[in-house]
Amino acid sequence: DAGVTQSPTHLIKTRGQQVTLRCSPKSGHDTVSWYQQALGQGPQFIFQYYEEEERQRGNFPDRFSGHQFPNYSSELNVNALLLGDSALYLCASSLWQGRKGYTFGSGTRLTVV
Amino acid sequence: AQSVTQLDSQVPVFEEAPVELRCNYSSSVSVYLFWYVQYPNQGLQLLLKYLSGSTLVESINGFEAEFNKSQTSFHLRKPSVHISDTAEYFCAVSGGYQKVTFGIGTKLQVIP
Repeated sequence: DAGVTQSPTHLIKTRGQQVTLRCSPKSGHDTVSWYQQALGQGPQFIFQYYEEEERQRGNFPDRFSGHQFPNYSSELNVNALLLGDSALYLCASSLWQGRKGYTFGSGTRLTVV
Repeated sequence: AQSVTQLDSQVPVFEEAPVELRCNYSSSVSVYLFWYVQYPNQGLQLLLKYLSGSTLVESINGFEAEFNKSQTSFHLRKPSVHISDTAEYFCAVSGGYQKVTFGIGTKLQVIP
């Protein structure tokens, strides 16, 4: 049973560029949440998708957007990249809202230069 | 709003010694509480969770945590640590329909 799959694993982008990160949830899960983990910090909530709609959003600018597809997979898009966007981006899947625990992917390490 | 405070950023402990990683939370509603573990260059793995019922919860690898509502705490303990327990541990809380909020993490360093 595959867990959460994220791609790519590593990415280097230039300031001002745009990036798309992808996530396939664990089989049977219907909710995808995205977190940003800066070096030495805990994960910070970006947003959560359920039934193809953004249900909750953290304190992130509109440069961060997402999408959920009918097969429950999800994308995170970041426009106009800043150096401060460099972080590990974690996808977590769960049943609705994840109140009973998330399953995390291994993350995408984004470096903005 | 909900929040999590992990009181220690780093905890060094000798192998086979006991350890406690402290976590306090705040929430205006009933909560679910979690501990996750993160090994280097990996995502987070669920270690244990409190949803309801018994306030003492255990993991399969010897960790336990006790939900203390009066002290709003959910400390993680292990009576005897191993080298393989070296990792970063995150306490997390969710309540009502709110998102899961994580603490800043505690690095457990087990010394041989």
